[in-house]
Amino acid sequence: NAGVTQTPKFQVLKTGQSMTLQCAQDMNHNSMYWYRQDPGMGLRLIYYSASEGTTDKGEVPNGYNVSRLNKREFSLRLESAAPSQTSVYFCASSEPGPYYTEAFFGQGTRLTVV
Amino acid sequence: DAKTTQPPSMDCAEGRAANLPCNHSTISGNEYVYWYRQIHSQGPQYIIHGLKNNETNEMASLIITEDRKSSTLILPHATLRDTAVYYCIVRVDTGGFKTIFGAGTRLFVKA
Repeated sequence: NAGVTQTPKFQVLKTGQSMTLQCAQDMNHNSMYWYRQDPGMGLRLIYYSASEGTTDKGEVPNGYNVSRLNKREFSLRLESAAPSQTSVYFCASSEPGPYYTEAFFGQGTRLTVV
Repeated sequence: DAKTTQPPSMDCAEGRAANLPCNHSTISGNEYVYWYRQIHSQGPQYIIHGLKNNETNEMASLIITEDRKSSTLILPHATLRDTAVYYCIVRVDTGGFKTIFGAGTRLFVKA
């Protein structure tokens, strides 16, 4: 049971380059999320998808775009990377409720923009 | 979602109970308290959650005050592997996990 899988695990980009972070979950969850975590900080929500076909902005969406490709996959794209986007990116999935639920997280993508 | 306040760091001796406090004074009646932990910058891991009653599972216990304005996560016999950042969050049961994870409490378990 893989849970939430993120690729790549590490990436170095030059300023202005673009890239897509991939996330896939095998738990048949409806909701998926992208967070970023800067050193010594908590997680901040970038975008989320409550269900297949829908996406919404989170706390820090500027500079990012997302695609909910299907129920399993939720990708995060940086169109023109900036040094301020150097961070660890986490993808997560959950059921939206109204009953008990928990979020499952991937192992993260460590992105450095130089 | 209500905001939470946690101490930035705590120490605990190995084998002793670790009691991690969390204030959530603006919590609403339909918001659950969740605890997660993050070890070595891995993805956060679910520990426990509760609404009103105290809860216990194989990892920890969660004590919620009667007015629900604060809670305490208890690791009954802390080990070195429990050294991690612990996040207390509150979320509406129908709201997914759009909630904000704060900086959490960095717990150091010492031998």
